[in-house]
Amino acid sequence: SAVISQKPSRDICQRGTSLTIQCQVDSQVTMMFWYRQQPGQSLTLIATANQGSEATYESGFVIDKFPISRPNLTFSTLTVSNMSPEDSSIYLCSVTETGLNEKLFFGSGTQLSVL
Amino acid sequence: QQPVQSPQAVILREGEDAVINCSSSKALYSVHWYRQKHGEAPVFLMILLKGGEQKGHEKISASFNEKKQQSSLYLTASQLSYSGTYFCGTYAGNMLTFGGGTRLMVKP
Repeated sequence: SAVISQKPSRDICQRGTSLTIQCQVDSQVTMMFWYRQQPGQSLTLIATANQGSEATYESGFVIDKFPISRPNLTFSTLTVSNMSPEDSSIYLCSVTETGLNEKLFFGSGTQLSVL
Repeated sequence: QQPVQSPQAVILREGEDAVINCSSSKALYSVHWYRQKHGEAPVFLMILLKGGEQKGHEKISASFNEKKQQSSLYLTASQLSYSGTYFCGTYAGNMLTFGGGTRLMVKP
């Protein structure tokens, strides 16, 4: 099973700044996803990170706010831009090894607090 | 559309059983179940595929009724280690959508 390293594990940021979260996988994976989990809530998909092309964003999430890179099959970054307290959440990187409709493996998450 | 889970929370004593339900308004081809312990990432438990099969993981099993667009997770003889939040997930295209979660607390 894929091993995912996500960093930072937590951060406290000031309003108006940006934070970049990194996700490194120990093997090449087909699909990489970024989820957000607000306190006590379920997981909401932000976007699918596509290797070599723009990410595919879900309703309610836009590239200017959450730019994503995926330069290769093992690495992705998510930036949370121009942060506000409403962005305080856990951000999770996840992957499937073999493709669509497969189980997800999750990184350990980044707990973000915006003051 | 997000699948609907019930109940939202369950408190059990060790050794008791529980059932968590997951239903969807759309046709289902598969249902995923994950468990998330406090402060940790979700961990995959099992996938139920179309066909009504029942799967098992430890003393946790699940069923899938595609006709009723429902899945149920059965926890038997619960252990302290079963505590956490359980999420079902369903695929729409290549996107896994999670239910609202069921918080399970097992007490000694």
